[in-house]
Amino acid sequence: GQNIDQPTEMTATEGAIVQINCTYQTSGFNGLFWYQQHAGEAPTFLSYNVLDGLEEKGRFSSFLSRSKGYSYLLLKELQMKDSASYLCAVRDSNYQLIWGAGTKLIIKP
Amino acid sequence: DAMVIQNPRYQVTQFGKPVTLSCSQTLNHNVMYWYQQKSSQAPKLLFHYYDKDFNNEADTPDNFQSRRPNTSFCFLDIRSPGLGDAAMYLCATSGTGGASDTQYFGPGTRLTVL
Repeated sequence: GQNIDQPTEMTATEGAIVQINCTYQTSGFNGLFWYQQHAGEAPTFLSYNVLDGLEEKGRFSSFLSRSKGYSYLLLKELQMKDSASYLCAVRDSNYQLIWGAGTKLIIKP
Repeated sequence: DAMVIQNPRYQVTQFGKPVTLSCSQTLNHNVMYWYQQKSSQAPKLLFHYYDKDFNNEADTPDNFQSRRPNTSFCFLDIRSPGLGDAAMYLCATSGTGGASDTQYFGPGTRLTVL
């Protein structure tokens, strides 16, 4: 079967750095997405990786290793507004998006 | 601004009473999706349309149906809602459905079943 694994919850301090990991086992691979979802709201797109390596976008970076079936989302200079769930999703060989259950990130002052 | 709009944002219905949720988009995207998401769970794909080509996920209950009368609009019909159907229903769109294609979500409709 297809599976996306992420930690259920993480806690970090305002101003710090946090890394959210995602491992996947899917039928084929056509890219990995990270979305942010605030409580009671819809997911919003953060990043897309299809090649190995690091993609940087401001305070957020996403890394991919296809051989390891592994990605992480790195958030720097954490702000209180970064408190949200972060969902990892992989597009499989049928171009379907397989979603993880998300990591709830709690930011403390 | 181009966007995905869902109405209503909150819907309360009674057990067994049919309900229709609507989604519209101004992005002119070919693909539209309906997801069900329960608290702390991954979004679960119910249906998607590539243009007018309807695709039903194998495990989507028969209680759920969908219509896409034109490019801009898509509807989700729940014929006889049960307590287990209480969830957030998310509509999303994407341009082509290709590998790098990003899905853009509407704000969601939270369904409560009494």
